[in-house]
Amino acid sequence: AQKITQTQPGMFVQEKEAVTLDCTYDTSDPSYGLFWYKQPSSGEMIFLIYQGSYDQQNATEGRYSLNFQKARKSANLVISASQLGDSAMYFCAMRPNFGNEKLTFGTGTRLTIIP
Amino acid sequence: EPEVTQTPSHQVTQMGQEVILRCVPISNHLYFYWYRQILGQKVEFLVSFYNNEISEKSEIFDDQFSVERPDGSNFTLKIRSTKLEDSAMYFCASSEATPTGGYFGPGTRLLVL
Repeated sequence: AQKITQTQPGMFVQEKEAVTLDCTYDTSDPSYGLFWYKQPSSGEMIFLIYQGSYDQQNATEGRYSLNFQKARKSANLVISASQLGDSAMYFCAMRPNFGNEKLTFGTGTRLTIIP
Repeated sequence: EPEVTQTPSHQVTQMGQEVILRCVPISNHLYFYWYRQILGQKVEFLVSFYNNEISEKSEIFDDQFSVERPDGSNFTLKIRSTKLEDSAMYFCASSEATPTGGYFGPGTRLLVL
């Protein structure tokens, strides 16, 4: 079984500052993927970034980067130079790399960017 | 850019009625999923579908639920007799054979009265 833990229910960050959203996970699968999704108030799930468990380098996508520490089983999302449009719920998720690839989600972090 | 689409965006129904939620996955994807998000809660897996059959389902996916891929493009979720607790956002998702970003549709917000 897989489990995702997001311990920050809410965060407030000043605009233009960097923010780190925490995510820890637990799995017995030898190979897996980690994902972050953004859910704005409109409700859709927007894929942000993916990290494979065997990737040597931390994933980056524009202002998003994933701080992957495999030994600690953590996959924190870092947003640089935050913008007002970054205010949303953020979900960490994982799935095995073999099999049907269903995603297991954490409970999310509500990020609010303060002008 | 290809995307997953879902219809309707919103649906209101009476308890006990049947509803069908529709999804059009990305055309070259092989795995299809339904997820559910009760208001204010996390996204929960319902069912996965591969090679024209259910590959895995959660304990939420009881006999009231069924899925179908009737014509090779649409992917539907049917709830036979809706309950109040079925009120949620339902997301369809699809993915390729190799691990990539999971693509979600915009969701259908279902309200059961």
